[in-house]
Parts: sequence; structure tokens; C-alpha cells
Amino acid sequence: EVQLVESGGGLIQPGGSLRLSCAASGFTVSSNYMTWVRQTPGKGLEWVSIIYISDSTYYTDSVKGRFTISRDNSKNTLYLQMNNLRAEDTAVYYCARGSSGYSWAFDYWGQGTLVTVSS
Amino acid sequence: QSALTQPPSASGSPGQSVTISCTGTSSDVGGYKYVSWYQQHPGKAPKLMIYEASKRPSGVPDRFSGSKSGNTASLTVSGLQAEDEADYYCSSYGGSYNLVFGGGTRLTVL
Repeated sequence: EVQLVESGGGLIQPGGSLRLSCAASGFTVSSNYMTWVRQTPGKGLEWVSIIYISDSTYYTDSVKGRFTISRDNSKNTLYLQMNNLRAEDTAVYYCARGSSGYSWAFDYWGQGTLVTVSS
Repeated sequence: QSALTQPPSASGSPGQSVTISCTGTSSDVGGYKYVSWYQQHPGKAPKLMIYEASKRPSGVPDRFSGSKSGNTASLTVSGLQAEDEADYYCSSYGGSYNLVFGGGTRLTVL
């Protein structure tokens, strides 16, 4: 059974750093493209970042230079390192697995982890 | 890149059909086949319902169908059931390794 479990969220002051983890089971993260999507409480979804099998990585403009997506194949885990956090980064962060065919569709999602940036 | 435009709400009675639209531009919806639809119940993670505009993942009821014409994609839910009440989001590849979502539509089953 495919499962994704996020962790690492919490309350952090503006300018601080957090690393989110997404532990995968039932499939291999290195064999799939993976993404992070966030959702502001009570609002819509926003794509954050993607990592391909080739290790190529891409980001939405608002997080470029501050966030880094990566994976540890030995731990079958996806990460999102978030630096210089801002109030507008407050959201529930979901990791998700890319469906077959590189169609920018995501077929399995974690339960989400809440990041709150506030002083 | 701007979010895709969805109506904030839609509704229908059990057994009826409802269609939710998702309007973008020639740089996203109109330019690529990579339009997806997600269902999200309160407090839950999104669930993929449609990908590549009209394809259904295994396990998704065939009451859910998708289409695309020009810069507008649509999700149709036929034979509405109570459990279909949820938020629905469209997404589209926007070129240059970027994904854009719609603002979401709350579907109410009357």
C-alpha cells in the first residue's frame, strides 16, 4: 500500500528555518517524480516544488532561493528545507507522488504538516 | 502566474449532474493537455480524480468525467451522491516547469 507521511511542521519565527520530511512506503521515491504543495488555512492549493527522477528540481517563484527539495533514497524520504521563512509561508504542506507519464498529476498525497510562521 | 478561475460554489440535487469550469489562458490550460482535477473533503488531503484533462485513475467512479476546450477545462459529476460534497480544484501545467491551481469550487449536494 502506498503511503506518504509528512513531519517537521511547527511554529517558527519569521526568518527561521524548518525541514519537512515525507516518509514514503509502498513505492520508491527515487523512481517517481515527487512534489510539495501547500494550502493556506481555509484557502486554496499552491504548488511549491518538484523533483524529477533525474534529480532536476524546480520551484514556484515565491520560494526560489529559500526552499530546497531533496530526497534520501536510502531512507525513501522526500524533504523540503525551508529557510528565511515569511508569514506568507504559513500553510499546510503536502507531499505527493507524481502519477505515471510525467503528466503533472499527483496520485498519492500525505496527510499534510502545518507550518506556522509567526513571532 | 495567475491562478486558474473556478466558480466558488456549485450545487445539485442527488442524482443530478453538475459541471465545474476551470478557465485559464493559452499559456496553461489552452497550451497543454496536463489538466488535473482533485477532490478534497474537509480536513483531508486532495484526491486525484482526473488527469490529462479527461483520464480517470483506477478506482475513481465513472460518474466523474473531464473535458477541455480551448482555455477552459470542465469536470462533470453525474448522478450526484452525498459523498460527492467536497471542494474541487483544477490544476494545469503552466510551462517552464510550473504548476498552477484553480481557486477551488465547493460542491454542495442539496
